[in-house]
Parts: sequence; C-alpha cells; structure tokens
Amino acid sequence: QVQLEESGPGLMQPSETLSLTCTVSGFSLTSNGVGWVRQPLGKGLVWMGTIWAGGSTNYNSAVQSRLSISRDTSKSQVFLKMNSLQPEDTGTYYCARHADRGYYGYNYYYVMDAWGQGASVTVSS
Amino acid sequence: DIQMTQSPASLSASLGETVTIECRASEDIYNGLAWYQQKPGKSPQLLIYNANSLHTGVPSRFSGSGSGTQYSLKINSLQSEDVASYFCQQYYDYWTFGGGTKLELK
Repeated sequence: QVQLEESGPGLMQPSETLSLTCTVSGFSLTSNGVGWVRQPLGKGLVWMGTIWAGGSTNYNSAVQSRLSISRDTSKSQVFLKMNSLQPEDTGTYYCARHADRGYYGYNYYYVMDAWGQGASVTVSS
Repeated sequence: DIQMTQSPASLSASLGETVTIECRASEDIYNGLAWYQQKPGKSPQLLIYNANSLHTGVPSRFSGSGSGTQYSLKINSLQSEDVASYFCQQYYDYWTFGGGTKLELK
C-alpha cells in the first residue's frame, strides 16, 4: 500500500538549515508528485512546495527564497531543505502524494491523497 | 493567491446528528476542492475530492457539495469516531487550506 514517512532533526537553532527526508513506498516518484505541507502547533495547514514526477518544482511564494525540494528516485526519497530558520518555522512538516483527479480548462487537478505521519520541528535557541 | 474561509471554527454536536461545515473561496475554483479529516496527533486524511467525490474507503455518511466559490461538507448520523478537525483545500490554483473546523461531541 501507499506509504510516506518523514524523518529529520526535531530541534533546530535559529538561522540553521532544516533538512527533511520523505521516504515513499507503494508508488513511484516518477509517476506521482510529492508535496510538503507545514502545520504550526494547533493551527492550520500551509502548502510549501511540490516536486513533480518529471522532476520540476513549484514553491509557495512565501518561502520560495529559502526552500529547495529535490529527490533521489532510486531511493524513493524526497528532500526538503529550508535555510535561515526562525522560531515561526516551528511546526509539523508533512509530505503528501499528489494524485491526478482531472482538470478544468488548462488547470490540472492534483489532490493530496496520502500523507506521512509528520515530522515535528522546533526552532529555538 | 486564492483565500479559503471556513466556518464555523468550532462545532459541538450530538451523536446521530447531521452537521454541515462551509467553505468559501475568494474566487471561483471550479470544483477543485477537497475535504480532509485530521484527528489529534495524526496526519490529515482525504475524505472528498472534486467537491463531491468520495475518496476510497470513506464512509457514505460523508458528502460534499457546492460550486463556484461556495462549498460544504455534510456528515450524516454523527459517530464518535468523527470527532476531529476538518479542513477544506482548493487545488484549482496551487493549494490553499481553510482555517479548519474543530468538531466535538455535545
């Protein structure tokens, strides 16, 4: 079955660079895109960025200057790197699979149909 | 950017009751809308996609409707396992989420 699992350090210092890994199984990274979503404690969900089956990426403009998403298809892993961390980057980071659910006009619809369990990240000095 | 406004922020209902959660988009999203359920300490789980299509394995007491900028999630015959937070998400133009609705038992 489809599974995603995030891993990475739990505690970071301000100004450091966060590195998270999403290891997937049950599907291929060359068939589905994978996105990253952040959730501050007790708050809502924010899409951060996505790497597509062909290897291209899209980023949320709010974090685009600090964020990089890459992958190793041979290891079924997707990587998130975000620099210049601040306390407001604290939260749970999820990776999620994108699934094709049709289109409207020139817009293709990709819903997040499977999620990892999340990686908790605290940014504090 | 498309903004999603979800209401109510919290909701208290009795077992067996029918509840409805609303979501309004800042512009037409042409049914590019999903609903997710998130239980405490767990990741979001997809319930509904394309505004009204039930995701595989989701109980039929969940249903979605709407069009244009207005969408809703209805839960018929509320069960104890439905206590959770619910989020709408538009995917017509990138992805943005509503602020969430926390559903509790009365």
